[in-house]
Amino acid sequence: GENVEQHPSTLSVQEGDSAVIKCTYSDSASNYFPWYKQELGKGPQLIIDIRSNVGEKKDQRIAVTLNKTAKHFSLHITETQPEDSAVYFCAASGEDWGKLQFGAGTQVVVTP
Amino acid sequence: KAGVTQTPRYLIKTRGQQVTLSCSPISGHRSVSWYQQTPGQGLQFLFEYFSETQRNKGNFPGRFSGRQFSNSRSEMNVSTLELGDSALYLCASSPDRWGTGELFFGEGSRLTVL
Repeated sequence: GENVEQHPSTLSVQEGDSAVIKCTYSDSASNYFPWYKQELGKGPQLIIDIRSNVGEKKDQRIAVTLNKTAKHFSLHITETQPEDSAVYFCAASGEDWGKLQFGAGTQVVVTP
Repeated sequence: KAGVTQTPRYLIKTRGQQVTLSCSPISGHRSVSWYQQTPGQGLQFLFEYFSETQRNKGNFPGRFSGRQFSNSRSEMNVSTLELGDSALYLCASSPDRWGTGELFFGEGSRLTVL
């Protein structure tokens, strides 16, 4: 089955700096790669996703890149703000949208 | 539009008991998935239901079961509880199986097994 590895497990950045989280996956059949943000006491919330026919996608300060050949995908957050502090999860799936394989998560701390 | 609603939010059980958790998806959503979240194992897929049919199942023992009703509401049941079943159980809904792919998560039911 699919295996998703996520690094780093914790990331501390100064407000205004950029944050990068990287994930690798094992199943070449995976074609959907979402990123979720989970704040304390809440469920994960989708922040951006990318499909295998796209190499990069941006939404304001957030961008995701995908390298299907290397089976890597990354989340980039620019101009970080304290409200970006949360746990971020990458995930991968094939045609079954509801069956996501999640990475272990990255605790991001943005210090003012 | 109301989000995904999970009940109860918190519960405490003892080993050997059974528990039923409930999930009401966003109105109009027909797919419901369940995930277990623990510090050690992270987020793990339990099962997915669409139109009252289980479409996928994760690698959990048969003590974990679920169902979906005609109104898309879903329940999951864990029988003969073990200490290791202590976790946050998350439900997620999506409009259909071939839609945008986005899963909308509830806030979870936190189960503690003593």
